[in-house]
Amino acid sequence: QVQLQESGPGLVKPSETLSLTCAVSGYSISSGYYWGWIRQPPGKGLEWIGSIYHSGSTYYNPSLKSRVTISVDTSKNQFSLKLSSVTAADTAVYYCARHVLGSNWFDPWGQGTLVTVSS
Amino acid sequence: QSALTQPASVSGSPGQSITISCTGTSSDVGGYNYVSWYQQHPGKAPKLMIYEVSNRPSGVSNRFSGSKSGNTASLTISGLQAEDEADYYCSSYTSSSTLEYVFGTGTKVTVL
Repeated sequence: QVQLQESGPGLVKPSETLSLTCAVSGYSISSGYYWGWIRQPPGKGLEWIGSIYHSGSTYYNPSLKSRVTISVDTSKNQFSLKLSSVTAADTAVYYCARHVLGSNWFDPWGQGTLVTVSS
Repeated sequence: QSALTQPASVSGSPGQSITISCTGTSSDVGGYNYVSWYQQHPGKAPKLMIYEVSNRPSGVSNRFSGSKSGNTASLTISGLQAEDEADYYCSSYTSSSTLEYVFGTGTKVTVL
């Protein structure tokens, strides 16, 4: 079955760039679907960050668009998130998930990774 | 785009039915049948429970059902069980100058 696994630094300094990767197994990204990033600040709700197709087509949350870059590496069957100029407000658990864009559902999800922004 | 509005908490006794509401606008919930629902246990990733308003993925109990009326979508859990205690989030496509997706504020379900 399809499985996703996030990886990356758990601690990022303010004003620096947060970088995460999501490795996909059990399914080839090149076969279709969009692939998305969602985050959840501690004790708070979910926020969609953006989604990418294997062709590189992307859609971003307008509130984060100026700081977000999502890219895909089909040779490694993974996609990545970069969030620049981070502040403490970007501290969250970051999830990756397969995104059925047209009908809006996310399934399955990775286990999530906590990223803390602190000096 | 603001988050969709959900009640902060809903509770019920084992065996009872409960309903969680998800209120948006005609630009999101009311305008499209692209509402999905997720269950999240503490420390775990969300799990898809309902998609396209009322469709259940394979493996999800038929005790979970979804519906929509106007700008409000609903998730009903019938025959409430202890394992249903979790946070629940709705999500909808929302129309704007670009494709955009929004989640609800989340509802804590407590089994008494």
